[in-house]
Amino acid sequence: DAGVIQSPRHEVTEMGQEVTLRCKPISGHNSLFWYRQTMMRGLELLIYFNNNVPIDDSGMPEDRFSAKMPNASFSTLKIQPSEPRDSAVYFCASSLKFGGLYSPLHFGNGTRLTVT
Amino acid sequence: GQQVMQIPQYQHVQEGEDFTTYCNSSTTLSNIQWYKQRPGGHPVFLIQLVKSGEVKKQKRLTFQFGEAKKNSSLHITATQTTDVGTYFCAGPTTSGSRLTFGEGTQLTVNP
Repeated sequence: DAGVIQSPRHEVTEMGQEVTLRCKPISGHNSLFWYRQTMMRGLELLIYFNNNVPIDDSGMPEDRFSAKMPNASFSTLKIQPSEPRDSAVYFCASSLKFGGLYSPLHFGNGTRLTVT
Repeated sequence: GQQVMQIPQYQHVQEGEDFTTYCNSSTTLSNIQWYKQRPGGHPVFLIQLVKSGEVKKQKRLTFQFGEAKKNSSLHITATQTTDVGTYFCAGPTTSGSRLTFGEGTQLTVNP
């Protein structure tokens, strides 16, 4: 089991640039979550997918953020244009949803984003 | 909307002392999960509690789920430096559609 794989581990970019974060969930998991973690706001859910379909994107900060899941083994989170306040650690997590319950979330190692 | 609150936000202890973090929900939870995040790491699942009044132990860690299923606690006996990290509780929303994480309790252990 390779776990949830995120890339890149670190990203440093200038304000205004486009940033794309990538995630490969655990094979067989049908739910995928994107979280953002900062000291000020803690762990925030941005969006989650169930069976590749976005279910709740109410946590997405604004139109500059978008997420896709074209297939069961890949998801992207894109920020365009990026701003300094987007600097944070972005985690992807996956789990198996059966009935109304989720199995424990498995988190990736995260992408530390710095926007200067 | 549903909120999951944790206290304290920070806790500093001497090695060997006990530690407890508390989690409270504004609504009844069908289950609750606990995670640990080491400094610089990612949250790692520790345990899930489902039954009212449930108590589970993992070595020096004891987890409890309240009778009303609206609160939970994590107690660590005789802390060690390896216990350092942030402990999060997480509960499903009323619809069960997703997990809501508490703010976490950051534990520091002085050797």
